[in-house]
Amino acid sequence: AQSVAQPEDQVNVAEGNPLTVKCTYSVSGNPYLFWYVQYPNRGLQFLLKYITGDNLVKGSYGFEAEFNKSQTSFHLKKPSALVSDSALYFCAVRDGEGFNKFYFGSGTKLNVKP
Amino acid sequence: SAVISQKPSRDICQRGTSLTIQCQVDSQVTMMFWYRQQPGQSLTLIATANQGSEATYESGFVIDKFPISRPNLTFSTLTVSNMSPEDSSIYLCSVEVVGTGLYEQYFGPGTRLTVT
Repeated sequence: AQSVAQPEDQVNVAEGNPLTVKCTYSVSGNPYLFWYVQYPNRGLQFLLKYITGDNLVKGSYGFEAEFNKSQTSFHLKKPSALVSDSALYFCAVRDGEGFNKFYFGSGTKLNVKP
Repeated sequence: SAVISQKPSRDICQRGTSLTIQCQVDSQVTMMFWYRQQPGQSLTLIATANQGSEATYESGFVIDKFPISRPNLTFSTLTVSNMSPEDSSIYLCSVEVVGTGLYEQYFGPGTRLTVT
């Protein structure tokens, strides 16, 4: 069965420090991996994705994520956090090209303090 | 990407009534989906809205409770029927343009429903 795990309900970092939001996945085929961000009272915004190719993918707002096949992980990272990065982050996976269904993680609330 | 709007943005409804949520996309898309996000929780897929045919529902969701229409490639509605407080959630519409090689889904702003 396909699934996504975000082991941290909340991550707290100081502004200017690097941040990592963790995600691990389980799929039966090739994983297509995504990160979305949700600001209060807003829908989900696409941040970045891994489909194939370079394991390090770069996305919007300075975020990047590293695909690690052996560890089945796709952690979201940013070298220097901003207070405006505070939001809810969702990792999602879909099982290869032929299937449209997304499986979302439980979400991680990122708090960046000044 | 696609620009998606939803109406209403929020509503407070009495139990036993029904609410229809509209989703409008600014371009023709192949796939449209409806999700539910209960308070403090992740997204759960309700159904895939198919143009010209019945929606495909996920386990735990039925057509009588969540009827869906998709009359064309840019519009869909989700009705939450015979509401109870347990239906209080954010309902999100999303779209995907199949065949572009993007594999991304884009989400509307959501409809925040409170059932009293």
